[in-house]
Amino acid sequence: AQKVTQAQTEISVVEKEDVTLDCVYETRDTTYYLFWYKQPPSGELVFLIRRNSFDEQNEISGRYSWNFQKSTSSFNFTITASQVVDSAVYFCAGANTGNQFYFGTGTSLTVIP
Amino acid sequence: GAGVSQSPRYKVAKRGQDVALRCDPISGHVSLFWYQQALGQGPEFLTYFQNEAQLDKSGLPSDRFFAERPEGSVSTLKIQRTQQEDSAVYLCASSFGRPASSGANVLTFGAGSRLTVL
Repeated sequence: AQKVTQAQTEISVVEKEDVTLDCVYETRDTTYYLFWYKQPPSGELVFLIRRNSFDEQNEISGRYSWNFQKSTSSFNFTITASQVVDSAVYFCAGANTGNQFYFGTGTSLTVIP
Repeated sequence: GAGVSQSPRYKVAKRGQDVALRCDPISGHVSLFWYQQALGQGPEFLTYFQNEAQLDKSGLPSDRFFAERPEGSVSTLKIQRTQQEDSAVYLCASSFGRPASSGANVLTFGAGSRLTVL
């Protein structure tokens, strides 16, 4: 069975602070894929990043960066210099080579101006 | 279309009524998924189509839930004899490839259909 854990339910930061969202993906499979999605108040899930289990290189894209560590099954997401527009619910998801994508319960991020 | 389109955006039903939710995926996308998202929770898998074939319906909570995609494009999720516990946002997602062969394609989601059962 697969399980996605996002231990942080809600986070509040002041604008321009950095914030890290945690995710742990538990699976017995050696091949799997991890995703981060953003869900703004409008409700539509927006894709942010996908990584596979063989690639532990960290990635930076603008103010976003991701850190994947296979040994701890963690796939953490950092927003640098947060902005009010970053306020949303962020979901981590995992998928094996089957058809199902498993989502965590989400972390609600509020950036205070 | 440019994105995944879902209708209606909001649906209020009386307990016991039947409802039908429509999903229009991105043109050419082979895979189509339905998810159920309860308030404050993450999306939960309901069912998966590859073209017109429903390959996985293990997430459908009861036999009151039925999904179809007869021509491999538009899909309809039908809920019969709705109950209050069916109240949720129903999300549709599509992807270009087949997950098992392509290493888990990225899902593009619609805005969802919010169902409220009174």
